[in-house]
Amino acid sequence: GNSVTQMEGPVTLSEEAFLTINCTYTATGYPSLFWYVQYPGEGLQLLLKATKADDKGSNKGFEATYRKETTSFHLEKGSVQVSDSAVYFCALANSNTGNQFYFGTGTSLTVIP
Amino acid sequence: DAGVIQSPRHEVTEMGQEVTLRCKPISGHNSLFWYRQTMMRGLELLIYFNNNVPIDDSGMPEDRFSAKMPNASFSTLKIQPSEPRDSAVYFCASRTGVTEAFFGQGTRLTVV
Repeated sequence: GNSVTQMEGPVTLSEEAFLTINCTYTATGYPSLFWYVQYPGEGLQLLLKATKADDKGSNKGFEATYRKETTSFHLEKGSVQVSDSAVYFCALANSNTGNQFYFGTGTSLTVIP
Repeated sequence: DAGVIQSPRHEVTEMGQEVTLRCKPISGHNSLFWYRQTMMRGLELLIYFNNNVPIDDSGMPEDRFSAKMPNASFSTLKIQPSEPRDSAVYFCASRTGVTEAFFGQGTRLTVV
């Protein structure tokens, strides 16, 4: 079946630190992969996506590379800011299973000045 | 485009009352999802529709929950009777094909 496993949180970093949030997936075929961000009191917003192997998604200084060989889609940012404090969700969509969306459990990030 | 529109944004109701949450998906999207988010259980998929037809409702907690999509531009999630453990934020999302899902702002439900 399809599933997403995400790094447990919460994660606390100092401003300008390097961020990695791990995400691995299980799927048949060739899923599309996504990272969503949820700021306090808001809905989920798409942060970046990749639709095929070796694609790199990037946005707002965040990036993630679709690695089929390791079934991973780790989120990275070189220098986090206080405004990056949010919950991050890794997600998968697979046309093999009726286009349903599968989310990870979310990773809470707090960036301190 | 106005995005996915949910109403109400906040709902406070007494235990035993009927609650109806509403969602207007983005025009042209053919898939619609209802999620529930709580601190304890995280983000849970309740049900999703494809072309207005329910495809997977295995996440609906029990018979007190029901969802409908009478047309491509409107969906409801109903809880009858409501219980305190139903308190959560309920999100609606829509998408087309294999693109990303777009989420509404959510409805924060409190059952007292």
